[in-house]
Amino acid sequence: GENVEQHPSTLSVQEGDSAVIKCTYSDSASNYFPWYKQELGKRPQLIIDIRSNVGEKKDQRIAVTLNKTAKHFSLHITETQPEDSAVYFCAASIPGSGYSTLTFGKGTMLLVSP
Amino acid sequence: GAVVSQHPSWVICKSGTSVKIECRSLDFQATTMFWYRQFPKQSLMLMATSNEGSKATYEQGVEKDKFLINHASLTLSTLTVTSAHPEDSSFYICSARVVGLGTQPQHFGDGTRLSIL
Repeated sequence: GENVEQHPSTLSVQEGDSAVIKCTYSDSASNYFPWYKQELGKRPQLIIDIRSNVGEKKDQRIAVTLNKTAKHFSLHITETQPEDSAVYFCAASIPGSGYSTLTFGKGTMLLVSP
Repeated sequence: GAVVSQHPSWVICKSGTSVKIECRSLDFQATTMFWYRQFPKQSLMLMATSNEGSKATYEQGVEKDKFLINHASLTLSTLTVTSAHPEDSSFYICSARVVGLGTQPQHFGDGTRLSIL
């Protein structure tokens, strides 16, 4: 099955700095890669996703890049703000694998200091 | 759009009790819903995939007789933890996926924190 590795496990930055979280996946058949933000005790919220036919996608301060050859994808947050502090999960999905389940990384706790 | 409601948000009960958790898609139809378990400071572990009108698909290591799943309509899936014990205490989260071409995003409920005494 699919295996997703996520790094770093914790990331501390100063407000205004950029933050980068990286994930690798094992199955080259994976074609959908969402990123979720989860605040303590709350639901994971989809913040951005990318499909394998696209190399980069951007939404305001958030961007995701995908390198299919290397089987890795990254989340980039620019001009970080304290409210960006949360746990971020990457995930990968294989098409046609039953019901296209998601395999999640272990998460990155992002701390943005004012 | 794509709102998923999960109830209850918090349950405390005695060992041996069965607990039912509901997951509803409020503004869309979901032929497929997913049930996850999350331990503190850990990732989301898929327990089972719930399919409307058919049996759920359980992940390896998840006891189907322990975690009963019913997906009776396009907007409701339920997870029943039968004869719950302290080791079943966890955060359970459901998600639902909008039907569409290609892989669609999963949208999560608020989760249920289950504490078994």
